[in-house]
Amino acid sequence: AIRITQSPSSLSASTGDRVTITCRASQGISSYLAWYQQKPGKAPKLLIFAASTLQSAVPSRFSGSGSGTDFTLTISCLQSEDFATYYCQQYYSYPRTFGQGTKVEIK
Amino acid sequence: EVQLVESGGGLVQPGGSLRLSCAASGFTFSSYWMSWVRQAPGKGLEWVANIKQDGSEKYYVDSVKGRFTISRDNVKNSLYLQMNSLRAEDTAVYYCAREGWTSGYRYFDLWGRGTLVTVSS
Repeated sequence: AIRITQSPSSLSASTGDRVTITCRASQGISSYLAWYQQKPGKAPKLLIFAASTLQSAVPSRFSGSGSGTDFTLTISCLQSEDFATYYCQQYYSYPRTFGQGTKVEIK
Repeated sequence: EVQLVESGGGLVQPGGSLRLSCAASGFTFSSYWMSWVRQAPGKGLEWVANIKQDGSEKYYVDSVKGRFTISRDNVKNSLYLQMNSLRAEDTAVYYCAREGWTSGYRYFDLWGRGTLVTVSS
């Protein structure tokens, strides 16, 4: 199985900050990576697929980059509604695997 | 409204069985791969299984192979997960998820609210 190592596991930030979360795959996965946002008690929400394609209706302050084994999710100007847990997920091969998650908390 | 609604969760003893259902509405269910994804309390997401549009292909995570069976009914617009020989480590919220696709890329673009399965004596 492809292992996805996500970092950091948590971070504290303030509204307006630029935030970067990274995922590293244990082998190359081309651009077969998605990013999700999850708020407490809610289902995950798709933010980005194909490593850098923004899902419809997702604010442009979210962006993704990377290919192969190293990927990044960037929130350019953190808003109050962005405090949540973020997961990356590979769909290059089975089993589909997720990163461990990054909890973005208010500083 | 485009939505997925899970049902069938509950408390079950170790070794027991449970069948989860997911009712789809607002989109052409038969056009999509569908998945089950679970989340243990306070933990991350784990993909469990998926099934092709016509049911001809199914894939499972190793930890549930031989115990869980995914199926679908395209007439009833429903997805199912039959869970047998349940273990404490299967305790989780189980989400039904649609696999959207674009240019060969697949991703979970629609999720249900989840149903809680608790395995305990």
